[in-house]
Amino acid sequence: NAGVTQTPKFRVLKTGQSMTLLCAQDMNHEYMYWYRQDPGMGLRLIHYSVGEGTTAKGEVPDGYNVSRLKKQNFLLGLESAAPSQTSVYFCASSWGQGNTEAFFGQGTRLTVV
Amino acid sequence: KNQVEQSPQSLIILEGKNCTLQCNYTVSPFSNLRWYKQDTGRGPVSLTIMTFSENTKSNGRYTATLDADTKQSSLHITASQLSDSASYICVVRGVGGGYNKLIFGAGTRLAVHP
Repeated sequence: NAGVTQTPKFRVLKTGQSMTLLCAQDMNHEYMYWYRQDPGMGLRLIHYSVGEGTTAKGEVPDGYNVSRLKKQNFLLGLESAAPSQTSVYFCASSWGQGNTEAFFGQGTRLTVV
Repeated sequence: KNQVEQSPQSLIILEGKNCTLQCNYTVSPFSNLRWYKQDTGRGPVSLTIMTFSENTKSNGRYTATLDADTKQSSLHITASQLSDSASYICVVRGVGGGYNKLIFGAGTRLAVHP
């Protein structure tokens, strides 16, 4: 069982470059999320989606865009990367909210130089 | 402001010993609290969830407690193993819907030495 798969696992960008992080889940979950994890801080929600074709802003959405064209995929885009976006990015999915468990991908370590 | 504070930030113990990790939160109103284990280079994996009415719950060598009155939770690890080396993250959900209600602690980094 693949669960939640993120690509790529590592990436180095130059300031101003763009890139897209791909998240794919095979559990037929409705909800998908993008988080960033920085040293000494808890995971922070960037954007999330409650179903195919929907997206919403989280706690730290500036500088990022997302799309959910297919239920199983959730894309995170950086249009013009900045050093402040150096972080580890995690995608997660769940079938609902409330007490439901979120399943996380392995993460993407992004460095912007 | 809704916050989740975990202590200690890091902990080193010898294999076979027990340890207790703490989580204090100010999230209100409270819905549930979940403990995650995050191995180095991996995503978090859920260990257990505590709802308002639950005081203690075990999952193998992991036992979580919750005191909703004092807004405190603990994760006790018994007879630690090398594979327990990881970060343990406390996550609290507030009431009211919306995924913005999920607040993550910064985690406790546990190292188990032989």
